Amino acid sequence: QSALTQPASVSGSPGQSITISCIGTNSDVGSYNLVSWYQQHPGKAPRLLIYEISKRPSGVSNRFSASKSGNTASLTISGLQAEDESDYYCCSYAGRSTWLFGGGTKLTVL
Amino acid sequence: QVQLEESGGGAVQPGTSLRLSCAASGFTFKNYDMHWVRQAPGKGLEWLAVISHDGNEWLPDFMKGRLTISRDNLNNTVSLQMTSLRAEDTGVYYCAKDGAGTSNYAMDVWGQGTTVTV
Repeated sequence: QSALTQPASVSGSPGQSITISCIGTNSDVGSYNLVSWYQQHPGKAPRLLIYEISKRPSGVSNRFSASKSGNTASLTISGLQAEDESDYYCCSYAGRSTWLFGGGTKLTVL
Repeated sequence: QVQLEESGGGAVQPGTSLRLSCAASGFTFKNYDMHWVRQAPGKGLEWLAVISHDGNEWLPDFMKGRLTISRDNLNNTVSLQMTSLRAEDTGVYYCAKDGAGTSNYAMDVWGQGTTVTV
């Protein structure tokens, strides 16, 4: 299985919104409503932002939202803040108790 | 609070084996599946293995034969045994708690990672 496809980098100015795409296949993203998103600051462990496509764990800002259409999942960050500058990873359940991560996207807040 | 702490990383020679451990606290460990995820230097996250609450293990095809995941529900630990280590196995290895019941099919708690250098 190949990694899910994410853009290597995205950027935006404070206050703006950005969207990160995550492209999978009919075997993973397209088959299951089980996409999650993680934020990882340099040298830190990943942090769960989104699960089951669009649900936020308690404590995650509502500036983070996500959706899925077909084989593509998307994460939107609205009202960009400097602290949002980080790496973001999507992950999909891929059946038979296996998971698949995306290659990661580096978000730069200009 | 809920915590995971990995240990066992270090510098090893190619072809050797290594056993990583992850100690869990702050939650009922025996009720949750546990994952291992790794990250090569400057690269993305890569899912390696999951072990169910009752000990069933699943690995991606590319890791079968080289990884074994196990758990001790009495001592709240999960382990990852890696054999025939190669340079490309170098990276940070994280254990993560499955979010079943709250964040289904996601990894809701992560350790700080342990570094393996081959």
